[in-house]
Amino acid sequence: NAGVTQTPKFRVLKTGQSMTLLCAQDMNHEYMYWYRQDPGMGLRLIHYSVGEGTTAKGEVPDGYNVSRLKKQNFLLGLESAAPSQTSVYFCASSPTSGGALEQFFGPGTRLTVL
Amino acid sequence: AQSVTQLDSHVSVSEGTPVLLRCNYSSSYSPSLFWYVQHPNKGLQLLLKYTSAATLVKGINGFEAEFKKSETSFHLTKPSAHMSDAAEYFCVVTLMFSGGYNKLIFGAGTRLAVHP
Repeated sequence: NAGVTQTPKFRVLKTGQSMTLLCAQDMNHEYMYWYRQDPGMGLRLIHYSVGEGTTAKGEVPDGYNVSRLKKQNFLLGLESAAPSQTSVYFCASSPTSGGALEQFFGPGTRLTVL
Repeated sequence: AQSVTQLDSHVSVSEGTPVLLRCNYSSSYSPSLFWYVQHPNKGLQLLLKYTSAATLVKGINGFEAEFKKSETSFHLTKPSAHMSDAAEYFCVVTLMFSGGYNKLIFGAGTRLAVHP
């Protein structure tokens, strides 16, 4: 199993450009998540999905959209990138919810917005 | 409200000496707690988790953590540091919503440096 994979690994955008980050998991997990990681702030949840066709806002959703058309994929979109969105983005998945269940993380996408 | 405080942003130890990474949590119910590790330019890997069973939890690579409810702490320890332990460590508490969704609340992280 590849686990959780993310595409691309690195990207540089200019302010106002758009892009989509792709997350894929091959573990048949129901739940998927997008986080951003900024220095000194741990990880913050952007959006999450509890199943195919459903998405919901997390802690810092502004400026991002998501889609979950297939169970194994979770896309994160930036419609008009801003320098404040420079960050490292992590995707994660978990089999079901519940306090005892860990989330499995992808390797991350490093995004720079100029 | 649930929150996590990692008491040290940086910890530096010599190889072969003990490691202590401190974490305090705040939770209105019995929490589940995790420690994740992130090596440079890598994703996050679960080290260990506490889920209301044994209060002393053993994880991978010789790490362990003890849940102390009276102190609201979940400190991570290792008897002898190895160079490969140099990484950033995150203490995480879970927050459960009525719909069954499980949110992870991350501490700010502790960067561990290991010197020869």
